[in-house]
Amino acid sequence: QKEVEQNSGPLSVPEGAIASLNCTYSDRGSQSFFWYRQYSGKSPELIMFIYSNGDKEDGRFTAQLNKASQYVSLLIRDSQPSDSATYLCAVNWGGNTPLVFGKGTRLSVIA
Amino acid sequence: DAGVTQSPTHLIKTRGQQVTLRCSPKSGHDTVSWYQQALGQGPQFIFQYYEEEERQRGNFPDRFSGHQFPNYSSELNVNALLLGDSALYLCASSSRVSFSYEQFFGPGTRLTVL
Repeated sequence: QKEVEQNSGPLSVPEGAIASLNCTYSDRGSQSFFWYRQYSGKSPELIMFIYSNGDKEDGRFTAQLNKASQYVSLLIRDSQPSDSATYLCAVNWGGNTPLVFGKGTRLSVIA
Repeated sequence: DAGVTQSPTHLIKTRGQQVTLRCSPKSGHDTVSWYQQALGQGPQFIFQYYEEEERQRGNFPDRFSGHQFPNYSSELNVNALLLGDSALYLCASSSRVSFSYEQFFGPGTRLTVL
């Protein structure tokens, strides 16, 4: 059974702080790792993906992958109230293989 | 560049009825995957279509079926609806020839079964 685990939160951070979201996965064969943001009542929006161990930065977002520990994280720098949403971690086996999602972490950025 | 579109936006059905949901993928994409998202849960994979055939299937009963058309659009059909089928149904679009294989979601169809 392939599983993706996330802390459901809510994770509350003050505006301007760094938000750190974590995810672990059970299948060592997982190849690709994705972070989606989902506002209440809306569909998931792809923020970042990462394939290789290490860090990948895109604007205020940094994804970190550690395959040995089966751990992937998302850092949001200079958090804004508009970042308040549920963040979904997803993994697959590369290519167009199905995404396996965690239940998501709810982030609340307090102004 | 049109993104992924889905119709209808909302749907209310009663138990035992049948429903058809529709999806048009992003321009240039040839693969459609369907997911079910229950309240408070992450999306769960139902099945995936490319070249007009079902290629992969998740752990869903055969009441869930689908189709892909030559223009890459897709339908999800659910027969004999149960209360537990109430969920947000998401269509994800991707390309088999793309290097990055990202899957982009449509706005979803909210199905309520009474």
